[in-house]
Amino acid sequence: AQSVTQLGSHVSVSEGALVLLRCNYSSSVPPYLFWYVQYPNQGLQLLLKYTTGATLVKGINGFEAEFKKSETSFHLTKPSAHMSDAAEYFCAVSPSGGYQKVTFGTGTKLQVIP
Amino acid sequence: DTGVSQDPRHKITKRGQNVTFRCDPISEHNRLYWYRQTLGQGPEFLTYFQNEAQLEKSRLLSDRFSAERPKGSFSTLEIQRTEQGDSAMYLCASADGGGSTDTQYFGPGTRLTVL
Repeated sequence: AQSVTQLGSHVSVSEGALVLLRCNYSSSVPPYLFWYVQYPNQGLQLLLKYTTGATLVKGINGFEAEFKKSETSFHLTKPSAHMSDAAEYFCAVSPSGGYQKVTFGTGTKLQVIP
Repeated sequence: DTGVSQDPRHKITKRGQNVTFRCDPISEHNRLYWYRQTLGQGPEFLTYFQNEAQLEKSRLLSDRFSAERPKGSFSTLEIQRTEQGDSAMYLCASADGGGSTDTQYFGPGTRLTVL
């Protein structure tokens, strides 16, 4: 069984400020973890993923996330927010290996204030 | 590589009508997934194909829903006797299946509105 909890359905940051979107997961087996971004009326785009190895994962558009097993967390960060970052972000988890059914969180809408 | 495509992008129908959506995965991706996303929620898994075989179906997929992938390439999702509760974004994703991570790549979705 696996699940994802995203803390905060809405997050607002000022342009240039740090972005921090929180994600905690639950998985009975070693997980793969993902962050996806969704712009209005569009599908999901993969930002980054953790599978094995280095726990700090760098993705597209300056985002990164750190896998912390002890905290069962995979928070998404970006040092400086840009207006174009305004979107909805989804954290997701799947079991590692083989067929991987992905379970998504409920999403966090990021608002960037100019 | 043109990405995952879905058709139509928008569909408005009246309650009780049948609708069919199409998904074309990334070429050579042998895994294909359908998800449903309602307002304010993350995508929810509906069903999964490995080539032409439908290997898993969610309990969300009632008997009014049927999905096919006849030749292991494109897939169709049909909803019979639509209900207002079927209004949602229907997302398709495909994955290589041969790699170690099996990352899913999503299409733009089909937004269904049932009046």
